[in-house]
Amino acid sequence: DAKTTQPPSMDCAEGRAANLPCNHSTISGNEYVYWYRQIHSQGPQYIIHGLKNNETNEMASLIITEDRKSSTLILPHATLRDTAVYYCIVRVLRGGGADGLTFGKGTHLIIQP
Amino acid sequence: EAGVVQSPRYKIIEKKQPVAFWCNPISGHNTLYWYLQNLGQGPELLIRYENEEAVDDSQLPKDRFSAERLKGVDSTLKIQPAELGDSAVYLCASSFASNTGELFFGEGSRLTVL
Repeated sequence: DAKTTQPPSMDCAEGRAANLPCNHSTISGNEYVYWYRQIHSQGPQYIIHGLKNNETNEMASLIITEDRKSSTLILPHATLRDTAVYYCIVRVLRGGGADGLTFGKGTHLIIQP
Repeated sequence: EAGVVQSPRYKIIEKKQPVAFWCNPISGHNTLYWYLQNLGQGPELLIRYENEEAVDDSQLPKDRFSAERLKGVDSTLKIQPAELGDSAVYLCASSFASNTGELFFGEGSRLTVL
């Protein structure tokens, strides 16, 4: 699986949009971009994933550049509960099954009141 | 629906003692994973099961770590003997064959070795 690069930490004011960048310049054509987050003392939680089109769900939006070498996770109205470590992961989805995730160090997002 | 359940939530032992962690995955999830998470790091895969078969245990330190998933449901991860460097959070996750490939994680078991 391709590696990703994320800033180690970011701050965002409560109520504002949090934009978390991720570089994955070596991504392959069949690799998806996944985002998970981990709130303190909890296990990682799935947020969103995409292949090449932008995606949106109830938690966030995922913007993938046209060349797929980078992406941005957007939390539209950040709350204090969004303070967490956010992991950007690229992986192949083989045969509908899941063969695990390779985590980096992620971005520690701190939402300021 | 219940999520992935792990126990114990916290465990403190002295070095050279054995320790075991238990995981109950989400019902119907055939794939189960054990991850190790050191402080300030992302989780690292130790072992992956497809039903009762360990299909990827390349990162499991087999001299002291062992795992089993009898009947393809619950799983246990054992360390014997524990070393100081084993202090970490042990996470269990499960998944089923789906288009999203989403993994569902438990809250983890935090091990402290003194």
